[in-house]
Amino acid sequence: AQKITQTQPGMFVQEKEAVTLDCTYDTSDQSYGLFWYKQPSSGEMIFLIYQGSYDEQNATEGRYSLNFQKARKSANLVISASQLGDSAMYFCAMRELIKAAGNKLTFGGGTRVLVKP
Amino acid sequence: DTEVTQTPKHLVMGMTNKKSLKCEQHMGHRAMYWYKQKAKKPPELMFVYSYEKLSINESVPSRFSPECPNSSLLNLHLHALQPEDSALYLCASSQAGSRGSEQYFGPGTRLTVT
Repeated sequence: AQKITQTQPGMFVQEKEAVTLDCTYDTSDQSYGLFWYKQPSSGEMIFLIYQGSYDEQNATEGRYSLNFQKARKSANLVISASQLGDSAMYFCAMRELIKAAGNKLTFGGGTRVLVKP
Repeated sequence: DTEVTQTPKHLVMGMTNKKSLKCEQHMGHRAMYWYKQKAKKPPELMFVYSYEKLSINESVPSRFSPECPNSSLLNLHLHALQPEDSALYLCASSQAGSRGSEQYFGPGTRLTVT
C-alpha cells in the first residue's frame, strides 16, 4: 500500500523568504506520480505541481519547485519568495493509476504554513 | 476553464433528512471523484466514476449514494446521516486513464448533521 508522510504539522516563514515542505513516500510501484496541493481556509484544493517517477528533471511552476530525490523517496516542495497569500495548508499526494478509472490520490497529513509580514 | 463547481456551499441537515450534493465540470474530464475531509485531516477518497460508471467505492456506508447522470455532473445523495458524517465534501475531476493528470477540485460543501 502507498503511504505519504509529512512530518511538519506547522511552519512559520517570513515574507519574501523561501520555505521547504517535506514529503516522503513509500510505494512498491515503479511508475507513480507525486502532487502538491494548497488548501486555503476557504477549503478548495488548488493544484500546484506534479512530478512523475520517470521525470529526470525536478518540476518547477513559477515560485514552486519540487526537490525530487527518488533514492530517498522524498518529494519536497520549495516555495520561493513567500507571500502573505501563501498562508494555507499544503498536502503532498501520491497517484495510483486505476487503469481507466482515473487517479486515486493518497494524501499526506498536511503542513500548515503561516507567512509572517 | 478549469473550474469545478459545487452546490450548496453549506448544508445543515437532520439525521432523518434526505439531501443531495451537486458537482459540475465542463473540462471534458471523464473521471470524477468524491472526497470527505474532516477538520484538520487530509481528504479521503469515497467514490470514483469513470466514463459515468462507478469504478471505485472505498467501502462507504450506503447512506451515501453517488450518481453520475452525465459526463459533466456528479451527485451525492445523503440519507439518514449521522453527526460524525459532518465534514467538508470535495468533488474533483480529471482525465481518465492518464498518468500525469492532476485532479481539479471544487470549493467543497461544508455539511453539518444535527
